[in-house]
Amino acid sequence: LAKTTQPISMDSYEGQEVNITCSHNNIATNDYITWYQQFPSQGPRFIIQGYKTKVTNEVASLFIPADRKSSTLSLPRVSLSDTAVYYCLVAGDAGNMLTFGGGTRLMVKP
Amino acid sequence: GAVVSQHPSWVICKSGTSVKIECRSLDFQATTMFWYRQFPKQSLMLMATSNEGSKATYEQGVEKDKFLINHASLTLSTLTVTSAHPEDSSFYICSATEEAGGTYNEQFFGPGTRLTVL
Repeated sequence: LAKTTQPISMDSYEGQEVNITCSHNNIATNDYITWYQQFPSQGPRFIIQGYKTKVTNEVASLFIPADRKSSTLSLPRVSLSDTAVYYCLVAGDAGNMLTFGGGTRLMVKP
Repeated sequence: GAVVSQHPSWVICKSGTSVKIECRSLDFQATTMFWYRQFPKQSLMLMATSNEGSKATYEQGVEKDKFLINHASLTLSTLTVTSAHPEDSSFYICSATEEAGGTYNEQFFGPGTRLTVL
């Protein structure tokens, strides 16, 4: 299973764009990259998923370089409610098992 | 979107008693369900993987006789913490995937169950 490395924490201010980068050097060919958001005492919530290049949805963008050894979650114009832990995971179709790394604790300040 | 529920959302029990936690997929059939445990300020740790109608696969270090998992139907999996002790106090989260075809199936997470053992 591909191991992921993320910054432990990040601080930002309301209205700013936040980019969280995740390293996954041993990602396998059939692995997808998925980001989850977790608030205290809640289950993780799916944010975005991608395989390569760029993916954008209504809440975030995901940038994946050609070598796929890293990925960057981009949150445009964050608000206080975006304060949460963000997890980057890589997984393929081998039982769909997810291994959670340490995650990045994002603190958005007013 | 796919919804996964858990019951109860929190439970307090005495040491030595058993506690059952239910995980249900409300609007889809879950071929595989996963159980995680999360201690305060820590990441989620996978405990076991269960497929409907078969025995669960436990991660290394997880006692299968202590954490009984039953996945009797495509919409329900249960985790029973037997003879609970204070060190079992944690946040238990389940997730489920559906038979959607393709190469990757998204996991849908439940809201979690807070277990406190006195």
